Amino acid sequence: QTVVTQEPSLTVSPGGTVTLTCAASTGAVTRAYYPNWFQQKPGQPPRALIYSATNRHSWTPERFSASLLGGKAALTVSFVQPEDEADYYCLLYYNGARVFGGGTKLTVL
Amino acid sequence: EVQLVQSGAEVKKPGESLKISCQGSGYSFSDYWIAWVRQMPGKGLEWMGIIYLRDSDIRYSPSFRGRVTISADKSISTAYLQWSSLKASDTAIYYCARLVDIVATPEIDYWGQGTQVTVSP
Repeated sequence: QTVVTQEPSLTVSPGGTVTLTCAASTGAVTRAYYPNWFQQKPGQPPRALIYSATNRHSWTPERFSASLLGGKAALTVSFVQPEDEADYYCLLYYNGARVFGGGTKLTVL
Repeated sequence: EVQLVQSGAEVKKPGESLKISCQGSGYSFSDYWIAWVRQMPGKGLEWMGIIYLRDSDIRYSPSFRGRVTISADKSISTAYLQWSSLKASDTAIYYCARLVDIVATPEIDYWGQGTQVTVSP
């Protein structure tokens, strides 16, 4: 089964920009992996942010953008707000299976 | 408004059986997929499996195949996750999520609120 790897933790200052990445043990992440990104705050269910690698849901703030970068899926948060502090998970689809990454704890400090 | 409403928290003993539910509303239930996701205490999200409500096509993650059963009753817009013999290691929050064919493969848009399952002697 594919192993999906994310940075365990990242810290960013309010107003700054941070990029989270998502790598697959099977090789370069492409659009065929349909990368999804989710945000989860303490005590809450996850919330979908990004689908099909680069597309925001209607409720996703424009400061969240996603791309494929250097063989990985990437989520960039620009003009970071205090409320962006959360855990972020990617989900990859590969060979009929879906696997979550371990998650990135984003601290806004 | 799309909503996925999950059944309430459960406290069970090892060896007992359990069936939790996820009821969809605000959309045509049969046209979508429902996934189940586990989150153990203090840990990340784990994909368990998925069911297509139109034809009950079910696909399990290898890690959960044989350990849980996913099913659905379209007549009441409800998906289920069940165990025949719980273990303490099944203690977790279980989320359901709706998947929709947005581009070319089903992808998650909405999540349920989660069901806390506690298994303790």
